[in-house]
Amino acid sequence: GIQVEQSPPDLILQEGANSTLRCNFSDSVNNLQWFHQNPWGQLINLFYIPSGTKQNGRLSATTVATERYSLLYISSSQTTDSGVYFCAVESPKAAGNKLTFGGGTRVLVKP
Amino acid sequence: KAGVTQTPRYLIKTRGQQVTLSCSPISGHRSVSWYQQTPGQGLQFLFEYFSETQRNKGNFPGRFSGRQFSNSRSEMNVSTLELGDSALYLCASSPGWGQGTGTDTQYFGPGTRLTVL
Repeated sequence: GIQVEQSPPDLILQEGANSTLRCNFSDSVNNLQWFHQNPWGQLINLFYIPSGTKQNGRLSATTVATERYSLLYISSSQTTDSGVYFCAVESPKAAGNKLTFGGGTRVLVKP
Repeated sequence: KAGVTQTPRYLIKTRGQQVTLSCSPISGHRSVSWYQQTPGQGLQFLFEYFSETQRNKGNFPGRFSGRQFSNSRSEMNVSTLELGDSALYLCASSPGWGQGTGTDTQYFGPGTRLTVL
């Protein structure tokens, strides 16, 4: 099956700093989503971005499908950005909806 | 619209028991998927139901089963619980009209945290 790798595994930021999280995937995908998992475990949708670039406030994401990677940018980080960020993909070879998740990037933003 | 809801939120069971978890998708969504999250294995796909039919299945033993009702609500059952089944179980819903083409955004519920003693 498709493999998804995220880097770095851990990231410590000072409030106000910018950061880039990376997601590499091993095969073509027809869906890619970024999530933020809050301390209570809920996965919050950030972006649906199988290709191209999107922005939402201080967050933006870019997926280069031909090179099999996606980037999530966090600008002017805030303590509320702390948590685990997951990238998840769907392979066109899988029937139905089936997300394969990366291992996540744990982000800690210090005040 | 109300989001995805899962009940119960927390559950404690003992080895050998069985458990049933429930998921109500966003109104109008017909696809419900289940995922297991553990510290060691991360987030893993269990199965997906669309229009009361299992459309996709992950690599989990037969002790894990599910079903979907005509109102799209879904239940997941784990029989003969083992210590390793302790996990956060997440349910996701999507419109389902993408028919697996990748055009569906999936929305997750708050999860059910299961502890097996």
